[in-house]
Amino acid sequence: GAVVSQHPSWVICKSGTSVKIECRSLDFQATTMFWYRQFPKQSLMLMATSNEGSKATYEQGVEKDKFLINHASLTLSTLTVTSAHPEDSSFYICSASRSTDTQYFGPGTRLTVL
Amino acid sequence: DAKTTQPTSMDCAEGRAANLPCNHSTISGNEYVYWYRQIHSQGPQYIIHGLKNNETNEMASLIITEDRKSSTLILPHATLRDTAVYYCIVREVTSGNTPLVFGKGTRLSVIA
Repeated sequence: GAVVSQHPSWVICKSGTSVKIECRSLDFQATTMFWYRQFPKQSLMLMATSNEGSKATYEQGVEKDKFLINHASLTLSTLTVTSAHPEDSSFYICSASRSTDTQYFGPGTRLTVL
Repeated sequence: DAKTTQPTSMDCAEGRAANLPCNHSTISGNEYVYWYRQIHSQGPQYIIHGLKNNETNEMASLIITEDRKSSTLILPHATLRDTAVYYCIVREVTSGNTPLVFGKGTRLSVIA
């Protein structure tokens, strides 16, 4: 199957700082990438849909000014958590697909905000 | 909201077949059934998908009932490494991209 990477795999930051998470499709061009987050013992929750070259579409309740998404190329999307707070601590996961193809997920990034 | 219902948890003895059921009684004609699994602290892994015919790959088999209202994922010889949460998802395949909506899934524990 296709390979999607995320960087970093884990990050610890102080409250009030910003953290950038990268999602890359390594062996295909992804027209669309999705960002999810997962709290302990819960399922994945969709945060936003990212289309290359256009603005991301955010799910209800997700603050677009807090979670900045940039999809500058067909192989890279970034999620920046701005002014992070302890309640933003979570497991962030991206997925990518070509067009109508199967979605492939990255390994996830564990964010801990102190 | 997820359009599928799955048992919360299941146990399976190592080496035996694991049969994971999924109900999707409201599935529409242009929706596929997808199965993913998530091993602890990892991203979901694609397993298999199908429309109406049974499907098999190197990981598993997918059996879809004739009325398409339910399906079963079969892991023919479960190993300890198959312990994970298994998600059954229905997704419309259109010209655009639609996200996967995850339910609670089934926590499969493979026991030695």
